[in-house]
Amino acid sequence: AQSVTQLDSQVPVFEEAPVELRCNYSSSVSVYLFWYVQYPNQGLQLLLKYLSGSTLVKGINGFEAEFNKSQTSFHLRKPSVHISDTAEYFCAVTAHASGGSYIPTFGRGTSLIVHP
Amino acid sequence: DAGVIQSPRHEVTEMGQEVTLRCKPISGHDYLFWYRQTMMRGLELLIYFNNNVPIDDSGMPEDRFSAKMPNASFSTLKIQPSEPRDSAVYFCASRSGGNTIYFGEGSWLTVV
Repeated sequence: AQSVTQLDSQVPVFEEAPVELRCNYSSSVSVYLFWYVQYPNQGLQLLLKYLSGSTLVKGINGFEAEFNKSQTSFHLRKPSVHISDTAEYFCAVTAHASGGSYIPTFGRGTSLIVHP
Repeated sequence: DAGVIQSPRHEVTEMGQEVTLRCKPISGHDYLFWYRQTMMRGLELLIYFNNNVPIDDSGMPEDRFSAKMPNASFSTLKIQPSEPRDSAVYFCASRSGGNTIYFGEGSWLTVV
């Protein structure tokens, strides 16, 4: 079984400040990791994903995340946020095993609130 | 390319009425998912299909909920009879052989 914990339900930050949204996972097998963003009244869209290779993954809108296997973490970062980054952010994990269906488990979400 | 298309976007109905939510997945995608999102429970997977066949419906809350996928380009989620606690946003999503799931814009359901 796999699980995802997003440690912060809400993260307030001022515009142009850096931000980190935390995500920890648990799984008994290797994983794929994702961050999705949900803007108000919209569906979820992919920000970035880690499948293999470099542990630092760059996504859209200046976001990046680093896979840390020893700490089972996949924290999302942005060096300078904009008002338009205000949204709900979801971390998701998919355990990949031979013959698996790769169904992701989503965290509860972190609400990023950017203040002017 | 068109994304995942859901209808209706908003639905307000009275308790006891039947509700049907519709979804058109991205062409060529072989997995289709139905999720429910609420403040209390977050994002829940209700059911998913692979090649039009329901694979896991363990997330369907009770017998009032049913889902069908008669062909590769259409799926429905039905609630009969609806109750106020069914009020939520229902998302349809689809995926091809890769790992990225593509979500629709959601159907906002309010049962009064």
